[in-house]
Amino acid sequence: ETGVTQTPRHLVMGMTNKKSLKCEQHLGHNAMYWYKQSAKKPLELMFVYNFKEQTENNSVPSRFSPECPNSSHLFLHLHTLQPEDSALYLCASSQVSGSVARCYFGPGTRLTVT
Amino acid sequence: SQQGEEDPQALSIQEGENATMNCSYKTSINNLQWYRQNSGRGLVHLILIRSNEREKHSGRLRVTLDTSKKSSSLLITASRAADTASYFCATDFIIQGAQKLVFGQGTRLTINP
Repeated sequence: ETGVTQTPRHLVMGMTNKKSLKCEQHLGHNAMYWYKQSAKKPLELMFVYNFKEQTENNSVPSRFSPECPNSSHLFLHLHTLQPEDSALYLCASSQVSGSVARCYFGPGTRLTVT
Repeated sequence: SQQGEEDPQALSIQEGENATMNCSYKTSINNLQWYRQNSGRGLVHLILIRSNEREKHSGRLRVTLDTSKKSSSLLITASRAADTASYFCATDFIIQGAQKLVFGQGTRLTINP
């Protein structure tokens, strides 16, 4: 248990559906992240939030829409996805102290787009 | 763009043997971190080594860093079946108060009982 929870753990959706992934961290961290892990590709950083403010959007298509209502919660809203968006979506949080930080990851949501 | 490359991509050894995984990266770094991932699960932080450090130990883990060669290695001594997992190196950058990790492809380690 890392202190970062994600729901749902598994999600199957059609290309016309709208769904949301939820992440919650119980660690009091200032920053939260969405990462994508596809088969045969390195983990890719998607979005970065620092104290609810988005500081990075790593050229992610607009069919992925993040929301950070407060520093403990992070959502990823999904709509009109493509089959190639099937992947493991990982949420993470960290507390940056000077130049050092370690990331705490949630268990991930396994997304399948049909 | 991909920052790190890990070598080997897969490693299979007998329980009790040592496992060594290597990581190379392309740009200057702030710190380098190693993470572990059990199949289809989240990542767990193992160890962080700063750019001005050359070696670090944590239990059965030993990490080295050679900034002149832009490479790092992770050694797991006296391996156990429970060490079976994927291992990733990641370079980190602190930007606007948040941390950006750039991961390698990972090494899939299998420990045979």
